[in-house]
Amino acid sequence: QVQLQESGPGLVEPSQTLSLTCTVSGGSISSGRYYWSWIRQPAGKGLEWIGRIYTSGSTNYHPSLKSRVTISVDMSKNQFSLKLSAVTAADTAVYFCARGPYNTFVSWGQGTLVTVSS
Amino acid sequence: DIQMTQSPSSLSASVGDRVTITCQASQDIHNYLNWYQQKPGKAPKLLIYDASNLETGVPSRFSGSGSGTDFTFTISSLQPEDFATYYCQQFDNVPLFTFGPGTKVDIK
Repeated sequence: QVQLQESGPGLVEPSQTLSLTCTVSGGSISSGRYYWSWIRQPAGKGLEWIGRIYTSGSTNYHPSLKSRVTISVDMSKNQFSLKLSAVTAADTAVYFCARGPYNTFVSWGQGTLVTVSS
Repeated sequence: DIQMTQSPSSLSASVGDRVTITCQASQDIHNYLNWYQQKPGKAPKLLIYDASNLETGVPSRFSGSGSGTDFTFTISSLQPEDFATYYCQQFDNVPLFTFGPGTKVDIK
C-alpha cells in the first residue's frame, strides 16, 4: 500500500520560498495513472488544493497561487516537491501531499505544519 | 469559480442517530462530487466518490446521493468513531478542485 510522507522546514520567513518534499513508498511514483497533489489547510479552516503533477510531468495549479507555485517530481528519489515563493502569514498552514486518479484524493500524507514568521 | 457550501456547519448528535449533511454547488456539477472525513490532527479520508459510490473498505452506514447542484451525505447510524469533520469536494472544472467549508459532527 502506498504511503506518502511530507518533509521540510516548519518555519519560513516572510517573503522567502517555502519548500516541501513528499516521499512516496510502497509504489513507484512513475507507475500508474496517478496525479500527485499538494493541498493545504490553515489552522481551524478548510482544505485548499494547491496544484498537482502527473507522472508525465505535466502540472496544474490553483489560479490564485499559480504565479508563486512550482511542483516538480524526482523519479529517481520517488519524490515530488512543492515550492511556494514570496510567502506571507496567510500561507501558514498544514500542507498535505496526496495521490489520486484524475479527480479524487485517495492516499494522503500525514501533513506537515509550516509557519510563516520572522 | 464553482463555490461549494455545506450545511449545517456543525451539528451535535448521539451514537445511533441518523445524520444528514448537505452540500450545494453554485452551478451544475453533475455527479462530480466526493466526500471526505477528517479527524483532528489527521489527513482527510475519502468516503464517497462520484456522489454516491462507497470507497472500498468504508462501512455501509455511509452513503451519498444527489446530482446537479444539491448533494446529501448520510450516516445511517452514528458510531463513536464517526465524530469528525466532513468535507465535500467538487471536480466539475478539473483541474481546479474546490472543497466545501466542512461540517463538524460532535457528541451531543
